[in-house]
Formats: sequence, C-alpha cells, structure tokens
Amino acid sequence: QQQVKQSPQSLIVQKGGISIINCAYENTAFDYFPWYQQFPGKGPALLIAIRPDVSEKKEGRFTISFNKSAKQFSLHIMDSQPGDSATYFCAASRGSSNTGKLIFGQGTTLQVKP
Amino acid sequence: GAVVSQHPSWVICKSGTSVKIECRSLDFQATTMFWYRQFPKQSLMLMATSNEGSKATYEQGVEKDKFLINHASLTLSTLTVTSAHPEDSSFYICSARAPRGWGYEQYFGPGTRLTVT
Repeated sequence: QQQVKQSPQSLIVQKGGISIINCAYENTAFDYFPWYQQFPGKGPALLIAIRPDVSEKKEGRFTISFNKSAKQFSLHIMDSQPGDSATYFCAASRGSSNTGKLIFGQGTTLQVKP
Repeated sequence: GAVVSQHPSWVICKSGTSVKIECRSLDFQATTMFWYRQFPKQSLMLMATSNEGSKATYEQGVEKDKFLINHASLTLSTLTVTSAHPEDSSFYICSARAPRGWGYEQYFGPGTRLTVT
C-alpha cells in the first residue's frame, strides 16, 4: 500500500512533442505529490508538486494532472526539448505528517530527440 | 529558491576507513532531513530520517551502526559510513524538508559519489 507505480520506464519523444509520464498510488492518506527531475550525476530537483484539492497544476511547460478517484497522477511536458532529457521521478507522501517521508516511483528516463 | 548543499561531491577511500558526508540547508531551517542511496539507473532508496536533536530513524535493512547519522543543528546533518567496503560504493543524496511556511517541500542536495577501493 506504500508503493507508487510509475510508467513507462523509458520514453522517447521528438522535439516539440508532448511527454507523458504516469503514476499510480494505493495509500489514500497521501496528500502531497511532487515530481522530480534528475540529470546524470546530480541530485533530484523539485519540478512541480500538487495536492489533492486541485485536479491540475501548470507551471510553464510542465503540467500535473491529478485524478483522486482513480488514485493516479501524471506529468505532461509540453513542447518537449532536448534539454528535458533526464530521469523523472514521481513521489507521494503524507505531507502534513511529522516526517513527510517520500515514496518514490521507479523513475522514467526521457529522451527528447532533436 | 531553496538550496541544499552536500560535501564532498565525490570521495574515494580505502576499504576499512570511514567517510563523513555533510548535508546543509542553506536558506531555511530543516527540522527533518533524509538520507538516500541510489544505484545506477535505479530509484532513490531511503536510508534514514534525521530529526534535529534526536536519533535518526533507519529504514528496514539499513545498518545503523554502519551508517551513522547526526543531525547537529537545524541546518546540518551528517552521514558517516564506517568501516567502508567496496559494496558501500554508491551515490548518496540528502534532502531537507522545508518548514510549514514553505509548504513542507523536500529539496535535495547534489549528491556525493562514494567509491571504496
């Protein structure tokens, strides 16, 4: 019940296309869903995050769609660029809990072809 | 924005020696910090949760006597790998949890590459 399942494992998109990464969770107590971007040899960087009181959040080319009833959330990268090539991790936590421990998905390696 | 630093960024040590990694939150006070380990092409594996002024909470399967964690202040946590062996070679990453006013978000350091020879 603590798992977060992420798909696909890898994704190849043409420059200018839309990249879509999906995550599903089981624990209905989760109330904070961030996405992280990680480049090789670097730490993950917080990209965008959502809480269950909204169904969508957009920041620039990045959008999170959240479906509470289906217990799913997804990251959409519009107008994908070669510089977006990285590994993306979704995560979930009980943000309001004492520790806010993050449960990570398995990661998606995105390659954007020029 | 929130910045978390780690030092060193990479370290090579001989088998049997100990290595200390520092994690600092530079622009906010973090009551909670986390230590992760990441193997190539894999997700982040949480090792322990570190709370300022109290003992760290280790995840199942993580040897607390081998991976010593000290959260000395609201901006500094350290991970010491004791009696390191080649199988401890990995990418170690810390994160710091921002306070309530910042939305409780977690910010990661740049990671430390440990190689044990």
